[in-house]
Amino acid sequence: DGGITQSPKYLFRKEGQNVTLSCEQNLNHDAMYWYRQDPGQGLRLIYYSQIVNDFQKGDIAEGYSVSREKKESFPLTVTSAQKNPTAFYLCASSDYGRSYEQFFGPGTRLTVL
Amino acid sequence: GQNIDQPTEMTATEGAIVQINCTYQTSGFNGLFWYQQHAGEAPTFLSYNVLDGLEEKGRFSSFLSRSKGYSYLLLKELQMKDSASYLCAAMNQAGTALIFGKGTTLSVSS
Repeated sequence: DGGITQSPKYLFRKEGQNVTLSCEQNLNHDAMYWYRQDPGQGLRLIYYSQIVNDFQKGDIAEGYSVSREKKESFPLTVTSAQKNPTAFYLCASSDYGRSYEQFFGPGTRLTVL
Repeated sequence: GQNIDQPTEMTATEGAIVQINCTYQTSGFNGLFWYQQHAGEAPTFLSYNVLDGLEEKGRFSSFLSRSKGYSYLLLKELQMKDSASYLCAAMNQAGTALIFGKGTTLSVSS
């Protein structure tokens, strides 16, 4: 049963701490993406990766970092430099080159206290 | 600049038809997506238009006019479960990134 998993569903952290959100896919997709969604706002692109060991900044990359060491995994680290980290974070993947459709994971709601 | 505009909220009754409009301005364009998102859940794909015209898929249809920078999503025979946020998103020229609108929250009442 192919899909995208994100864990955990809810995450709480203290201000000033770095936190890493996981994203795993078994769809054999080359491209993966991280979005942030705030209440009443659309999805905003943080980072994307079209191939292993390569990634590009999106519109709001400041305060975030990513890695893409494996095709299946694209973890996102929210650093203490991110001024407003509380948000709903969505990971997506696509079979870039064959289809532009992006498939989304269930999301992680991060709350920084 | 890049901008996607869609209404913030819409209301309708069960069994009715509703049209959600979306206008876009992007530097390069490679198609228009519509996604459905229930509160607290992941967006799910509804439609993709890259050529002008109407695409019909069951109760949902989507229309695109590239010359006008305009799209709409048409929902027929509305059901309570259609209450959700509907996201319009334009694909950039390179096909590497989606630019999302803020979403339209549709409330369906009985």
